[in-house]
Amino acid sequence: EAQVTQNPRYLITVTGKKLTVTCSQNMNHEYMSWYRQDPGLGLRQIYYSMNVEVTDKGDVPEGYKVSRKEKRNFPLILESPSPNQTSLYFCASSLLNDDFSYEQYFGPGTRLTVT
Amino acid sequence: SQQGEEDPQALSIQEGENATMNCSYKTSINNLQWYRQNSGRGLVHLILIRSNEREKHSGRLRVTLDTSKKSSSLLITASRAADTASYFCATDAGPGGGFKTIFGAGTRLFVKA
Repeated sequence: EAQVTQNPRYLITVTGKKLTVTCSQNMNHEYMSWYRQDPGLGLRQIYYSMNVEVTDKGDVPEGYKVSRKEKRNFPLILESPSPNQTSLYFCASSLLNDDFSYEQYFGPGTRLTVT
Repeated sequence: SQQGEEDPQALSIQEGENATMNCSYKTSINNLQWYRQNSGRGLVHLILIRSNEREKHSGRLRVTLDTSKKSSSLLITASRAADTASYFCATDAGPGGGFKTIFGAGTRLFVKA
């Protein structure tokens, strides 16, 4: 089954304790992206990747790191989480069409609480 | 920066009625897409409309795009209770804009049975 998986689905942690949220897709997609969703703000893009070893900042990259060492995986790293990073996080992936359009497939989300 | 603005923020209708949601954006785009989200779950892609297209249909969905007004609308005809969800527009600027995706804040649709 074609899918985007995220782990963990729920995480409660404390300020400053490094954490990684994993994202994996089995569709051989080039494009992968991380978003955070906060009430009333819609989704805001954190980082995205056009392919292996190619990553770029979205609108809210501060406090986050990513890496794309393999095509299928795109982990999100919070080196020193703070309470303002409490949010619902989504990973997404897509094929890049010939005209540079892309339709994203989303993972189920990771609800992160930082106390 | 949040580019897409959706209107209305919330919409409540009876089953069988049509629902129209609007999206406005600020800069040039390559494509505009609409997504649906059920109650905190992952988003599901509904339809993509390219900047050189004006209208697109998919089942009960009709999307229009007016690049001169930087706006799009999503029409759901003959709505069903199962259409209850949040709907988001998303824009991307393509290679010229670095492939960033910008989502609007969404419209919450409630369809009463």
